[in-house]
Amino acid sequence: RKEVEQDPGPFNVPEGATVAFNCTYSNSASQSFFWYRQDCRKEPKLLMSVYSSGNEDGRFTAQLNRASQYISLLIRDSKLSDSATYLCVVNSDSSGTYKYIFGTGTRLKVLA
Amino acid sequence: DAGVIQSPRHEVTEMGQEVTLRCKPISGHDYLFWYRQTMMRGLELLIYFNNNVPIDDSGMPEDRFSAKMPNASFSTLKIQPSEPRDSAVYFCASSRGLAGYEQYFGPGTRLTVT
Repeated sequence: RKEVEQDPGPFNVPEGATVAFNCTYSNSASQSFFWYRQDCRKEPKLLMSVYSSGNEDGRFTAQLNRASQYISLLIRDSKLSDSATYLCVVNSDSSGTYKYIFGTGTRLKVLA
Repeated sequence: DAGVIQSPRHEVTEMGQEVTLRCKPISGHDYLFWYRQTMMRGLELLIYFNNNVPIDDSGMPEDRFSAKMPNASFSTLKIQPSEPRDSAVYFCASSRGLAGYEQYFGPGTRLTVT
């Protein structure tokens, strides 16, 4: 089983739709969580950190479910510019050293 | 403030040649990471440094790969000899810390080995 798993998609949604992605992780001792966005042929960029209590940034909401070991990203009122690959990142302590484990990403296409 | 700087942006080389990728992290960041990204395997951590010291190189695929960080503002990733399967985008990233700290990525080096 992969340490971090995401549905690769693509998710094709119309403008204005609400879309949600999940990401599961295997290490129950994982400590911090992030969502990154990667545009085609560009570097990953931080979208938002994921806090235990859940957090919101404009149209984006991130949540953490430690019991079920997954994090989620909700995008409301999708824009064409939201089309990208969304990477889930988990920061885990593995044998005394911290590692950032990236999921393989979920592709989102917002259609006009 | 300048972000992470990588060079070259593109590299095309023949199998067997030596390739050197360069990275300048964000000033004040104590951690530097080298990643490789392919369609098949996604983003893989190769090695990371803390205060110029390699901490975890378990992701380095084999002895053909080596990385150095001679000072806080410069790191290299070297492949010698290069093989076609090394073709990928190589990203450098830096951060202030580990747990809870975000990473900032450079624009990447797109390597093609023919």
